[in-house]
Parts: sequence; C-alpha cells; structure tokens
Amino acid sequence: GAGVSQSPSNKVTEKGKDVELRCDPISGHTALYWYRQSLGQGLEFLIYFQGNSAPDKSGLPSDRFSAERTGGSVSTLTIQRTQQEDSAVYLCASSLLYVGEQYFGPGTRLTVT
Amino acid sequence: AQSVTQLDSHVSVSEGTPVLLRCNYSSSYSPSLFWYVQHPNKGLQLLLKYTSAATLVKGINGFEAEFKKSETSFHLTKPSAHMSDAAEYFCVVDDNAGGTSYGKLTFGQGTILTVHP
Repeated sequence: GAGVSQSPSNKVTEKGKDVELRCDPISGHTALYWYRQSLGQGLEFLIYFQGNSAPDKSGLPSDRFSAERTGGSVSTLTIQRTQQEDSAVYLCASSLLYVGEQYFGPGTRLTVT
Repeated sequence: AQSVTQLDSHVSVSEGTPVLLRCNYSSSYSPSLFWYVQHPNKGLQLLLKYTSAATLVKGINGFEAEFKKSETSFHLTKPSAHMSDAAEYFCVVDDNAGGTSYGKLTFGQGTILTVHP
C-alpha cells in the first residue's frame, strides 16, 4: 500500500516568508508526527497528533511554528517569518494509535536564503 | 525522561565482516526501542523493534539487536556486511507506560556505516 507522502520534496524560500509543508499519512493511521532533521541538531521531535486528542506541541521551537491536521488525515506544518536556522529536512511519520512503530515519509528539504 | 547515546559517530568495515553499532539508552519506564536506517537522500526505514517480548530481535536484511536491561544497551549487529548496508543508522527510544506509547521518539545522533569492498 501507499506509504507516507510529503510535499513539496524541496522548498527554497526567502528569509521572512511563510511556508507550508504537507503530509499525507498512511491510510488508517490515526497518529501523525512531525520531526526536523538538521546538521547541528540531529532528529528532533516537533509535534504529534493522536486521534481526536489535543496535539502534543512540546517540541515546537518557537511560536512561528504551527501545525494542523484536518479531518484526522492530512497535516500541514506552517512556519511563519522563516529564518535561516529553519533550514532543515522536515519529516512526517504516522502510526497506529498507541503503537510505537512509526513510518516515515521522504521528507521536505527546506532551504531559507 | 528518555535519552539515547550512539557510541560511535562513524563505523567502517570491510564487506563480508561483522557489523556492530552500539547504542545505550535511558528511560523512565519500560521502553520500546528501534533501529532505523537512512540511505542517502532517502527516508527513514524501520530495521527492527523491541517491545518487551524476546530480548533478541531480528530485523530486515540480516540485522539483529539484543536488548540488555542490565546494561541499558540495544546494540545492532549483522554477521556479514554488504555494500548496500552503507547508510546512517539511528537508535531510537519510545517511553512506554504500561505499553501505551507516548509517541515522542527520541533519536540518537546517528552512526554512519561505511562498507569497503
């Protein structure tokens, strides 16, 4: 079956612009996660959505970052007023609720110039 | 709080020789542990997972890992390296309370495996 998909695969933006990154989880997976992978910080948890519960936003680095999940499926990660330190690969993963095994998408490489 | 330490940032082996990638963890609860692999410009792929069943876990592509609670270790091994094993490997912990995943995976810093012909 189809895996986790993310779009765009690459995004180049100017400092100060807003960007939206999209994630389509595996069908039937009720938990969805966002991570960031950067050279200096490795892989960091950002946010996760679990079923109908309030999302865990504890990993978001600043209030410029936000995410939503519509209809329990597709998720959008929004970064406002991008900064150069936001440059990274943003990874999305999904899983069955309360099961730790997560399946990752290919990521979106964000470059802020 | 949970944390993961991968003891080697780079490991280099010759094709056909054994692979050992070391991982130590700390966890407040009874953790689930995973190894993921990331090939260049590819997404993360699950190699294997430990979730409190058998302590010796077999994964894909001939890899296996042994959970040792007394040593808080979860080292990844393979008897014979193949050129296609060259990639970056991540040891990952997920705190569990009574088997319920918290969902927030904590990743080690990664080990880059190089395989020489």
